[in-house]
Amino acid sequence: DIQMTQSPSSLSASVGDRVTITCRASQGISNYLAWIQQKPGKAPKSLIYGASSLQSGVPSKFSGSASGTDFTLTISSLQPEDFATYYCQQYSSYPLTFGGGTKVEIK
Amino acid sequence: EVQVLESGGGVIQPGGSLRLSCAASGFIFSSYPMNWVRQAPGKGLEWVSAISGSGGSTYYADSVKGRFTISRDNSKNTLYLQMNSLRAEDTAVYYCAKANAFDIWGQGTMVTVSS
Repeated sequence: DIQMTQSPSSLSASVGDRVTITCRASQGISNYLAWIQQKPGKAPKSLIYGASSLQSGVPSKFSGSASGTDFTLTISSLQPEDFATYYCQQYSSYPLTFGGGTKVEIK
Repeated sequence: EVQVLESGGGVIQPGGSLRLSCAASGFIFSSYPMNWVRQAPGKGLEWVSAISGSGGSTYYADSVKGRFTISRDNSKNTLYLQMNSLRAEDTAVYYCAKANAFDIWGQGTMVTVSS
């Protein structure tokens, strides 16, 4: 099984900050990597697929990048509505696996 | 509008069975694999099962293999998850998600396994 190691597990940031979350795959997954946002009490929402392609309707402040087995989600300027938990997920092979999540909190 | 809507959750005793449904609309259902993902209270996301667009291929997490069965009816645009021999650790919100990049999620249905 492919393990997805996400870091940090939580972070505190201020409105307007640039935030970076990383995810490392235990083996090569090409660019079969998605980023998912979940707000408290709400269903998850897909932000990015293919490591760097934005889902329709997702604002451009979100961006994704890849380097080998390392993947990054960046929020360019954190806004109040961005405080949530973010998960990476690989869909290169079964079983599909998620990272442990990164909770982004208000400083 | 592309959407999926789960139903069928509830409270069930350990060892019992439950069938979840996921009604899809707004896209060509048979063209996409579909997935079930669950989230135990206060925990992260866990992939449960997947099925190919035709229904000919199915995949399961080890934690549910032999107890859960995924299926689909493309004539009804509906995905199913038959859950047997339920355990307390199966307690979770169950989501269906479109395609392997999970581009569309439902609102979830809660399954509570408790005596």
